[in-house]
Amino acid sequence: EVQLVESGGGLVQPGGSLRLSCAVSGFTFSSYWMSWVRQASGKGLEWVANIKQDGSQNHYVDSVKGRFTISRDNGKNSQFLQMNYLRVEDTAVYYCARANNNGWDYWGQGTLVTVSS
Amino acid sequence: QSALTQPASVSGSPGQSITISCTGTSSDIGTYNVVSWYQQHPGKAPKLMIYEVTKRPSGVSNRFSASKSGYTASLTISGLQAEDEADYYCCSYAGSGTYVFGTGTKVTVL
Repeated sequence: EVQLVESGGGLVQPGGSLRLSCAVSGFTFSSYWMSWVRQASGKGLEWVANIKQDGSQNHYVDSVKGRFTISRDNGKNSQFLQMNYLRVEDTAVYYCARANNNGWDYWGQGTLVTVSS
Repeated sequence: QSALTQPASVSGSPGQSITISCTGTSSDIGTYNVVSWYQQHPGKAPKLMIYEVTKRPSGVSNRFSASKSGYTASLTISGLQAEDEADYYCCSYAGSGTYVFGTGTKVTVL
């Protein structure tokens, strides 16, 4: 059974940092691009970042470039999202998702990040 | 990276067909045949319903179909059922490894 489990969310002040983790099981992690997608409360989905199988390529939505860093550890079947200089508008549920055939076919349940003073 | 445009809401009676539109630009839908659709029930993670414009993942009902013409992609739900009531999002590749989602459509089964 494929599982993606996010962790690391919480309450942080503006300007602060958080590191999200996503532990996966049930498939060969190193064979897939992986992504982070977020959703503010009552709002739509927003793609945040993705990373190639070997970590050699990554891409970001403009609003997080220079502040967020996506990474992965294929030996630990995990991906990460380091979030620095957090802003109030980064408040959202962050989903870890597996990219496959130009869609995201498996998703975690999400972890809530709240940026507030 | 502006969001694709979807109608805020669409409704239909059980058994009817509805269509959700998703309008983009020459930077996304108009250039790439990489459109996917997601269903999201309240409090749940999104579920992939369509990928690469028209393809259905294994396990997704054939009541769901999709197409694309020009800058607009469309998702059609046939034989509408109560369980189809959810939010639906389109997504397109936008070049340089980036993706853009639609604004989302709330489907109501009357």
